[in-house]
Amino acid sequence: NAGVTQTPKFQVLKTGQSMTLQCAQDMNHEYMSWYRQDPGMGLRLIHYSVGAGITDQGEVPNGYNVSRSTTEDFPLRLLSAAPSQTSVYFCASSYRQNNEKLFFGSGTQLSVL
Amino acid sequence: RKEVEQDPGPFNVPEGATVAFNCTYSNSASQSFFWYRQDCRKEPKLLMSVYSSGNEDGRFTAQLNRASQYISLLIRDSKLSDSATYLCVVNTFSGTYKYIFGTGTRLKVLA
Repeated sequence: NAGVTQTPKFQVLKTGQSMTLQCAQDMNHEYMSWYRQDPGMGLRLIHYSVGAGITDQGEVPNGYNVSRSTTEDFPLRLLSAAPSQTSVYFCASSYRQNNEKLFFGSGTQLSVL
Repeated sequence: RKEVEQDPGPFNVPEGATVAFNCTYSNSASQSFFWYRQDCRKEPKLLMSVYSSGNEDGRFTAQLNRASQYISLLIRDSKLSDSATYLCVVNTFSGTYKYIFGTGTRLKVLA
């Protein structure tokens, strides 16, 4: 089992560029989510999804878009990158939307210059 | 105010010491609770779930106090390898369920 696959591991962008962080899971998980982690801030929820076709905003959604067209994939899009989006990003999934362990991808270190 | 709050620490303790962390949450509709461990900005890993009656896993004990809306983690006989950041996670409901993390508490166990 691959688990949660997150790509890329590192990315450097210029201000205003766009990119997509990929997240895929092969465990038939209902719940998928994106977090960002900044020093001293813990993990903050960006967007999450409780099933294909359903997405919702988390704590810090501005500047990010998501879609969930399949159960397996949950890409995170930065439409116009800003230096404030420099962070470590984690994708996480769980079998159900409640009372379940989260499985994490290995993270993406994103720098926006 | 953040939905889930923790003292960021660091807690510096000698080997063999007992240390306890608390975490408070604001949403009384929160359903389930967890402690995760994170090493050096790697992905968090589940340490233990927290059950209403309290639960123990070796040197680790977790407690839940729904009335006061906090959970706790107790580590006995601390090891050097326990040095990490401990993240409180709350599964909370607002239309749908989502998992919210606290800011994390840094623990350093000193030789």
